[in-house]
Amino acid sequence: EDQVTQSPEALRLQEGESSSLNCSYTVSGLRGLFWYRQDPGKGPEFLFTLYSAGEEKEKERLKATLTKKESFLHITAPKPEDSATYLCAVHYSNSGYALNFGKGTSLLVTP
Amino acid sequence: DAGVIQSPRHEVTEMGQEVTLRCKPISGHDYLFWYRQTMMRGLELLIYFNNNVPIDDSGMPEDRFSAKMPNASFSTLKIQPSEPRDSAVYFCASSPLPGDTQYFGPGTRLTVL
Repeated sequence: EDQVTQSPEALRLQEGESSSLNCSYTVSGLRGLFWYRQDPGKGPEFLFTLYSAGEEKEKERLKATLTKKESFLHITAPKPEDSATYLCAVHYSNSGYALNFGKGTSLLVTP
Repeated sequence: DAGVIQSPRHEVTEMGQEVTLRCKPISGHDYLFWYRQTMMRGLELLIYFNNNVPIDDSGMPEDRFSAKMPNASFSTLKIQPSEPRDSAVYFCASSPLPGDTQYFGPGTRLTVL
């Protein structure tokens, strides 16, 4: 059973059309939730880390939020250059030093 | 800082051949991770090291896979013999602290014919 589930698997937006990506997790003892961006042919690039419910972080058009069961990555007025796969990962008390990744959401923003 | 360096970027080999992937972590990072990414399974952790010592290799799929870290600035992932189902993108990542942000290399795209 997946411990980290991301939805939707794929999302197509018009430029300027705001939306949210979801990352739900079933692990206990969350120590950190990470968001990464991955462009085709490249390695994942770190965006945010969230540590506790209620925490929020922002970077340009992206805002990440965290609750006790899920995290959202809100994209406000996206641009075509925001097109990428967004991955979330969790570090929890029984994961040792490793991060457990979801399968990602593939975002396409069209002009 | 140059970031995590991986080589080669692309590798095409024939079934049964030995494949060696290489990684240089960010200087000062004590944790090194090897991942495999496929469309079907996403990003899977294979093995990770702390201070050059393997900590958890439970993700290594078979005995055909082995990894070493002879020093703080170099690690290898070896597949011998390689099989077509090993075709994937292999990433190396490093982090300064346990459970901290991991910084990924550009990956090695492996194709086994």
